[in-house]
Amino acid sequence: QVQLVESGGGVVQPGRSLRLSCAASGFTFSSYTIHWVRQAPGKGLEWVAVILYDGSDEYYTESVKGRFTIPRDRSRNTLYLQMNSLRVEDTAVYYCARALRVWRDWDAFDIWGQGTMVTVSS
Amino acid sequence: QSALTQPASVSGSPGQSITISCTGTSSDVGSYNLLSWYQQHPGKAPKLMIYEGSKRPSGVSNRFSGSKSGNTASLTISGLQAEDEADYYCSSYAGSSVVFGGGTKLTVL
Repeated sequence: QVQLVESGGGVVQPGRSLRLSCAASGFTFSSYTIHWVRQAPGKGLEWVAVILYDGSDEYYTESVKGRFTIPRDRSRNTLYLQMNSLRVEDTAVYYCARALRVWRDWDAFDIWGQGTMVTVSS
Repeated sequence: QSALTQPASVSGSPGQSITISCTGTSSDVGSYNLLSWYQQHPGKAPKLMIYEGSKRPSGVSNRFSGSKSGNTASLTISGLQAEDEADYYCSSYAGSSVVFGGGTKLTVL
């Protein structure tokens, strides 16, 4: 079964760090680009970041540049979102989402995880 | 990167057709054929409904159709059904990033 499963969310104080995980199964992890997308409570979707399928580059939305990174562990078919210097405005449900087709970095997102909630609050 | 512009809400009666617009710029919608539409029910993850402006993934009803002209894309849902009530988001590639619309809440009366 093709799926993505996020974990690692929780409540964290401003300025602290948190690492989210996105575990992939049912498909060839190294052939697909996976993005991170977030949704603040009651708000719309916001693209956060991506690491290209071949690991050649990473891209981030402006508000998280320099604070977030996307490590990945191919042996575990797992992508991470390392979030440092967290801010109140980072509070959201974080989804990982897979590109529709192999070797396509900028493609529609056909497989989404269930999301994991991150709350940044003092 | 500014969000794409969608109407906040639309409504229609069962069996009717509705159209949701999504307006961007020449830096996103107008420049790339990478426009997608997602349906999201409350508390659920988004579901891909349309990609590359007008293509339907396998399993998506043919009641859903998409089009694009210039900087504006549209999602049309024909033969409205109660289960179509949801939030709908458009998104576009915007040059090394992705931009989403603000979302449209569809109410089936």
